[in-house]
Amino acid sequence: QKEVEQNSGPLSVPEGAIASLNCTYSDRGSQSFFWYRQYSGKSPELIMFIYSNGDKEDGRFTAQLNKASQYVSLLIRDSQPSDSATYLCAVNSPTQAGTALIFGKGTTLSVSS
Amino acid sequence: KAGVTQTPRYLIKTRGQQVTLSCSPISGHRSVSWYQQTPGQGLQFLFEYFSETQRNKGNFPGRFSGRQFSNSRSEMNVSTLELGDSALYLCASSGGTSGGPSGTQYFGPGTRLTVL
Repeated sequence: QKEVEQNSGPLSVPEGAIASLNCTYSDRGSQSFFWYRQYSGKSPELIMFIYSNGDKEDGRFTAQLNKASQYVSLLIRDSQPSDSATYLCAVNSPTQAGTALIFGKGTTLSVSS
Repeated sequence: KAGVTQTPRYLIKTRGQQVTLSCSPISGHRSVSWYQQTPGQGLQFLFEYFSETQRNKGNFPGRFSGRQFSNSRSEMNVSTLELGDSALYLCASSGGTSGGPSGTQYFGPGTRLTVL
């Protein structure tokens, strides 16, 4: 059973702090990794993707990938109350044809002003 | 470029009925995937269609089925509805030229299905 694990949270951080969200996956063959943000009552919105070991930065967001440890993380710098949402980690399933993604159950982030 | 659209946005059905949900992908995208999201199970993959063919299937009973048309629009059908089918059904399209990995999926707003 291929799995993606995330701490459900809630993760609470004050405004302006760095929020660190973590994800582990079980399939060593996975090659593409995605972070989605989902506001309550809305659909998931793509924030970032990463497929090479190391860091990838986009504005206030940094994705980090360590394939040896099967670990993906998302850092949010200068957290804002508008960042309060559930963050979903998703991993591709290389043993299946197509573009199916396996999702973690998400980490709820709460940013207090 | 318009995003993924799904209709209807909300549905209320009773047990035993059937339902059909529709999804129109982003223009140029040929892959459409369907997911079920519930508070307890999170996002679970139902199936994926590419060029009118089912390319991948998740672990759901045969009551869940789908199809894709030549214009890449997709429908999913759930027959003999059960209370446990109440969920948010999400459609995602991929295969455009966004520059990301080929599997990058973009979600529609979802259809909220309530089974009474």
